[in-house]
This record gives sequence, structure tokens and C-alpha cells, in this order.
Amino acid sequence: DIQMTQSPSSLSASIGDRVTITCRASQGIRNSLTWFQQKPGKAPKSLIYDTSSLQSGVPSRFSGSGSGTDFSLTISSLQPEDFATYYCQQYGSYPYTFGGGTKVEMK
Amino acid sequence: EVRLVESGGGLVQPGGSLRLSCAGSGFTLSDYYMDWVRQAPGKGLEWVGRTRNKANSYTTEYAASVKGRFTVFRDDSKNSLYLQMNSLTTEDTAFYYCVRGKNGFDSWGLGTLVTVSS
Repeated sequence: DIQMTQSPSSLSASIGDRVTITCRASQGIRNSLTWFQQKPGKAPKSLIYDTSSLQSGVPSRFSGSGSGTDFSLTISSLQPEDFATYYCQQYGSYPYTFGGGTKVEMK
Repeated sequence: EVRLVESGGGLVQPGGSLRLSCAGSGFTLSDYYMDWVRQAPGKGLEWVGRTRNKANSYTTEYAASVKGRFTVFRDDSKNSLYLQMNSLTTEDTAFYYCVRGKNGFDSWGLGTLVTVSS
């Protein structure tokens, strides 16, 4: 199975900060990487697919990059509604696997 | 608007069975791959299984942790997805989400809670 290592596991940031979360795959997954945002008590929401494509309706302050084994999610200017937990997931090969999550908290 | 609504969760004893349902609306289920993802309370996400679409003969894939115990199937005439869960253990306690496999996993249901406990 492909292991997805996400870092950091948590971070503290302020409104307006630029935030970057990284995800490393244990083997190459081409560009088959997606990012989700999850708020407490809610279902995950898809933000990015195919490494860098924005889902419809997602604000442009979210962006994704990377290839092969190293990927990142960047929030260019953190907004109040962005405090949440973020997960990466690979869908390059079965079984699909998720990163452990990054909790973004208010500083 | 795409909408997915899960049902069928509840309390079940270890060794028991449960069938989850997911009703889709706003899209034609037969056109899409469909997945189940679960999340134990306070924990991370775990992919459970997938059924491909009609064009790909409805073939399935499963996580090792559920293979041989869980079955993903669908009834396109009802625009519905199902998860048959047998031989349940306490490790299967989780919220179960129905997910559409377009552009990654673009649409999620609200989830249904399955609790396996004696």
C-alpha cells in the first residue's frame, strides 16, 4: 500500500497568513492526489483534484502543486472559515490511502 | 445540485451484519464510480471500497481491512449505492460516507454512524 505522510500534523496561523501543508507518497502516484477540508461534525469537502485542479466553487486562495511523490496545498491568505483539518489522498493505485491530516488552528 | 444521503447506520453487535444505503440525486449514478469512505470517531479517513460505473461493468475494489466481509453494490434504477457489512467488529465503528468518484472524490454525503458494540 502507498503510505501518505502529511506534515505538519497541526499548525497555528493568523488571518491573512500564507499556509502550506505538504504530503509525501511512499511511491510515485503521478498527479493522482486530492485535498479535502473537514470541519468538526461535517463531511469532508473536496478542494483540489489531480494535484492542482480546483473543484468548482472553491476559492482561488487555495492551490495545489507537486508531482510524483511530493505535493503541497497552499492557502495564500488564511480566512476565518479556513480553520479546519485538511487531508490529502492518493488515487493512483488501490487501495486508496489518506494522509493523517493537518489541523489548522488560530494563533 | 448533487446530493448524497446515507441511511442504515445504527448499533450492531460484534459478528453482526448491517446494510447501508446511499440515495443519490441531481445526477445519474450509473455514469459514475462510487465509493465508501469511513472515519472512526476522532480519527482520520479510511477508504473502504468502490464500484465502477456501468461502462466498466460495475467491478469493485476493497480495502484489505474489509475485503471478504463488505460488499459494495448499486441499483442504478433507484440511483442508489449500498454497502453490505458482515462479520462486523468493534474496529468497524465509524461514520460511513458515500462519495462520488468524479474529479477525485468530488461529492460527499453527510455520513451515517455505525457502532459495533455488545
